[in-house]
Amino acid sequence: AQSVTQLGSHVSVSEGALVLLRCNYSSSVPPYLFWYVQYPNQGLQLLLKYTSAATLVKGINGFEAEFKKSETSFHLTKPSAHMSDAAEYFCAVSDPGGTSYGKLTFGQGTILTVHP
Amino acid sequence: GAGVSQSPRYKVAKRGQDVALRCDPISGHVSLFWYQQALGQGPEFLTYFQNEAQLDKSGLPSDRFFAERPEGSVSTLKIQRTQQEDSAVYLCASSRVRGNTGELFFGEGSRLTVL
Repeated sequence: AQSVTQLGSHVSVSEGALVLLRCNYSSSVPPYLFWYVQYPNQGLQLLLKYTSAATLVKGINGFEAEFKKSETSFHLTKPSAHMSDAAEYFCAVSDPGGTSYGKLTFGQGTILTVHP
Repeated sequence: GAGVSQSPRYKVAKRGQDVALRCDPISGHVSLFWYQQALGQGPEFLTYFQNEAQLDKSGLPSDRFFAERPEGSVSTLKIQRTQQEDSAVYLCASSRVRGNTGELFFGEGSRLTVL
């Protein structure tokens, strides 16, 4: 069975500061990993994904994440926070096996607040 | 349409009522998923369709939950005899591919409140 743990349900940063959202996963096979963002009153939107190519993945809006197998982590970072980054972020994992058809297991989410 | 459309956006039901939630996926998308998101939690998988075939319903919490996608496009999630614990946001997502690297496109969700 797969699981995802996001450390910190709330993260607060100042505008211009580094954003670091933590995600650890548990999987019996090398997984595919995703970060989704949910803005208020909007659907979840894919930020980036890792599918066994480069371990450092770049996504939209200046976000990136690094897959570290030894640490079973996929932390999300952005060098400089913008006010528009305020949202809820979800880490998710899927089983890359042939019958998995993209079923995602999500973490509980991290709400990012950006202060002026 | 341009995105995944869900209706109604908000539904209030009395305990014991039946509800039906509709999802219009992006045209041509093969895969369709339903997720349940309780307050303060991440989405949890309910069921998956590939075209009209329901290939996985392992996440449906009870036999009161039923989903269908008869023509491989629009899907309906039905909850019979609603209970308070059914209160949640129900998310629909679609993908144009069958595989597991495809991006899921989510609707805005249907928020169900059971009184």
